[in-house]
Amino acid sequence: GAGVSQSPSNKVTEKGKDVELRCDPISGHTALYWYRQSLGQGLEFLIYFQGNSAPDKSGLPSDRFSAERTGGSVSTLTIQRTQQEDSAVYLCASSQGLGAELFFGEGSRLTVL
Amino acid sequence: GQNIDQPTEMTATEGAIVQINCTYQTSGFNGLFWYQQHAGEAPTFLSYNVLDGLEEKGRFSSFLSRSKGYSYLLLKELQMKDSASYLCAVRDDSGGYQKVTFGIGTKLQVIP
Repeated sequence: GAGVSQSPSNKVTEKGKDVELRCDPISGHTALYWYRQSLGQGLEFLIYFQGNSAPDKSGLPSDRFSAERTGGSVSTLTIQRTQQEDSAVYLCASSQGLGAELFFGEGSRLTVL
Repeated sequence: GQNIDQPTEMTATEGAIVQINCTYQTSGFNGLFWYQQHAGEAPTFLSYNVLDGLEEKGRFSSFLSRSKGYSYLLLKELQMKDSASYLCAVRDDSGGYQKVTFGIGTKLQVIP
C-alpha cells in the first residue's frame, strides 16, 4: 500500500478481554515501531523490530503486552486482560532503515470500559 | 536510557517567528527528528539532523548541537495552520538497536 495501514481504527472492549491490533507497514520498510499515546500525552515507545533481528521490547509496560512481526512485514500488537489504563491510541510506524524518517499510520484508538 | 525535554506549551502570533527548544541526554545518540502532529492525527515528518548545524526547509529550520545535547525548531512567517504539537525525537543506537524515542511534545498555539 501507499502508506502504513492500521486496523481496527477504533476498538471498544471490556476490561479483562484480549485485543489484537494490526499494522501493515510500507512495502520494503525493514524497521517497524509501536508507540502508545494517551490523551494529551507524548508518544510512549513500546517495541521496535528491525529486519530479522530480535526485537527491542524494552518499552512494553507489562507482560500483558506482546508483539510479533511475521515474515518481516505485518505486525500484531496483543494486549491480554485489558485494563482501563490501556485506553490510548496505538500508533505504528515504519522506516526504510538507518536514519530514515518514520512514517506513521493513523493509529488504533483503544477504549477499555 | 533517554531523557528528552521540551516546553509543553507555547503561544505565538500569526506572521511571527517561534523557536521550540529540545534538550536530550542519551548514551548512543545518532540523530534527532522533529515531527508535527495536529490534534487527532498521526505525526508527520519535518526534519532530521545528524550533524551539527542548521538545516533549512522552507519556513521550517532545525538546528542541532551534539556537544550540548540541544536542538531547536524554528518556524517563520507563522500561519494559523501551524497550530499543532511539535515532537522532538532522538535516535539511540546503543545496544545494537536504532530506537527512536519521542519527547512529550510542545503544543503551539498560533493566535491572530
